Amino acid sequence: KNEVEQSPQNLTAQEGEFITINCSYSVGISALHWLQQHPGGGIVSLFMLSSGKKKHGRLIATINIQEKHSSLHITASHPRDSAVYICAVLGGGADGLTFGKGTHLIIQP
Amino acid sequence: DAGITQSPRHKVTETGTPVTLRCHQTENHRYMYWYRQDPGHGLRLIHYSYGVKDTDKGEVSDGYSVSRSKTEDFLLTLESATSSQTSVYFCATLAGRERNQPQHFGDGTRLSIL
Repeated sequence: KNEVEQSPQNLTAQEGEFITINCSYSVGISALHWLQQHPGGGIVSLFMLSSGKKKHGRLIATINIQEKHSSLHITASHPRDSAVYICAVLGGGADGLTFGKGTHLIIQP
Repeated sequence: DAGITQSPRHKVTETGTPVTLRCHQTENHRYMYWYRQDPGHGLRLIHYSYGVKDTDKGEVSDGYSVSRSKTEDFLLTLESATSSQTSVYFCATLAGRERNQPQHFGDGTRLSIL
């Protein structure tokens, strides 16, 4: 069973700051997902990656397969980025994602 | 997102009653999943399906059963609901196991067992 650890669990920052959320996992994977969940809301897929780096707007996700580690970065953070960010990994079988417990991010104006 | 509809969106029921949650998708995705989300645990896999009539257990399957008689529908049943099954339930789909396929989530069902 893959163990997925995220850090930090909670993060409060000021608008404009550069944000980094980390994710590590214990067993090799076929893909890693970064998800976003707003309070009371659904879950949105931000990135899916199996190697290297992806960028979408102010969000950047990187993965190091050898180190079993991924990071999600937010540049020029904004209060609307406030949400729970969840790391999840997909193994090689037919079963579903294994999730981290999430990072609760609050961006203050 | 990806045409996933969960019903009902909210339900309150009593201990011991049967409950069925429905997930309907319009994208013809092969794989479907049921997860539950609880404080302190994050999301955990209950059951999944890799095709019509093909299902298997996930991490927290005790007390739950599923059925998939059509590609578009995946039903989750609590035969005799208990208070420990109070949770938010999410359905998700995946088109294929290829590395570039994102997983799509429904909006969730908030279930309270009194």
